[in-house]
Amino acid sequence: DSGVTQTPKHLITATGQRVTLRCSPRSGDLSVYWYQQSLDQGLQFLIQYYNGEERAKGNILERFSAQQFPDLHSELNLSSLELGDSALYFCASSVGVGSPETQYFGPGTRLLVL
Amino acid sequence: AQTVTQSQPEMSVQEAETVTLSCTYDTSESDYYLFWYKQPPSRQMILVIRQEAYKQQNATENRFSVNFQKAAKSFSLKISDSQLGDAAMYFCAYRSGSLSGGSNYKLTFGKGTLLTVNP
Repeated sequence: DSGVTQTPKHLITATGQRVTLRCSPRSGDLSVYWYQQSLDQGLQFLIQYYNGEERAKGNILERFSAQQFPDLHSELNLSSLELGDSALYFCASSVGVGSPETQYFGPGTRLLVL
Repeated sequence: AQTVTQSQPEMSVQEAETVTLSCTYDTSESDYYLFWYKQPPSRQMILVIRQEAYKQQNATENRFSVNFQKAAKSFSLKISDSQLGDAAMYFCAYRSGSLSGGSNYKLTFGKGTLLTVNP
């Protein structure tokens, strides 16, 4: 158990819908990262937050957004869902943004868009 | 941009034997970190081992060790005395050590190597 929690574990929805994925980092971690794992794209970095502020963006679609709240949990919002958004979405956390930072991953949320 | 290449999509090993998984990377940076993560059928991403680029000594964690060749940009994982529980997808990952650009703390992953352990 990494100490990172993600809910829900599974999500099935229809195209065009909007969903919210939730992540609670390990106790004491200030940084949260979101990754997408799909068969065709592999594991890709989406976005990073540090202590409530966005720090880095990766290959995140405009239909996707995220935020980190004062209690440090984070939410990833996916809207206007398409079939291709079906993937495993991971949240990872680390202590801060400096070195040497190891990211610990949550169990993931498996999203299926029908 | 950094890239990570795992040239072996699949590998198999007999229980109790040793196996080496390959990883190469491309970067112009001198300060960085390399990781091996394991993803068993549960899909959980589990950290196996970490190597700091500035350290010449290869990292070791119990049965897991790496062969880090900085000049060759190679970072292989050796699993000794393989166990059935080692069966998983293994991902090599790169992370910048510098602060420039703001986006450098992301992990860049290879495509993975699926390891099968035969009893």
